Amino acid sequence: GAVVSQHPSWVICKSGTSVKIECRSLDFQATTMFWYRQFPKQSLMLMATSNEGSKATYEQGVEKDKFLINHASLTLSTLTVTSAHPEDSSFYICSARDTQNNEQFFGPGTRLTVL
Amino acid sequence: GNSVTQMEGPVTLSEEAFLTINCTYTATGYPSLFWYVQYPGEGLQLLLKATKADDKGSNKGFEATYRKETTSFHLEKGSVQVSDSAVYFCALSTPGGKLIFGQGTELSVKP
Repeated sequence: GAVVSQHPSWVICKSGTSVKIECRSLDFQATTMFWYRQFPKQSLMLMATSNEGSKATYEQGVEKDKFLINHASLTLSTLTVTSAHPEDSSFYICSARDTQNNEQFFGPGTRLTVL
Repeated sequence: GNSVTQMEGPVTLSEEAFLTINCTYTATGYPSLFWYVQYPGEGLQLLLKATKADDKGSNKGFEATYRKETTSFHLEKGSVQVSDSAVYFCALSTPGGKLIFGQGTELSVKP
């Protein structure tokens, strides 16, 4: 089946630094990828829609300058959390939509802890 | 707007018990409906889906029927196992392909 990977699976960083998270579709092409944030014991909140070759579309209330998204190829999207603060600590999950059948597949998530 | 509401958890059942997790939605038009499962420490996996009214999605003994008249998509399983312990999310898709999730329901199955 279709596989989506995320790297790293977990990261700990100091406040004020930037962290990049990669999302890759391993065996299919994804024109569109989505980035979600999940707080403990809560639902997934859609942050932004990432489109290959164009700017990401951010949901209301999500700071685009803080959460930089780049979708440089049909198999890779990156989320960079800039100037991270402890309140950015969360579980970040990406999904990739298969261009051929529109089905979405989720990555395993990245746990970010900002000290 | 679009929204999904699930019954609150946690739900604790004994092995072989009957499971129902309620899900209702609000949407413009006729969205596709999904159930996803998240095992501890893992990402989401699609459990089942239904794309139009009266469709029944099924997988691994789980079932859910798309009920337009009650705007519901309740998840059921006749006999749960310990391995079914996980968090279950109901979701709908918007015309643009975005997924709107319910708050999740944690299921714990005891031997």
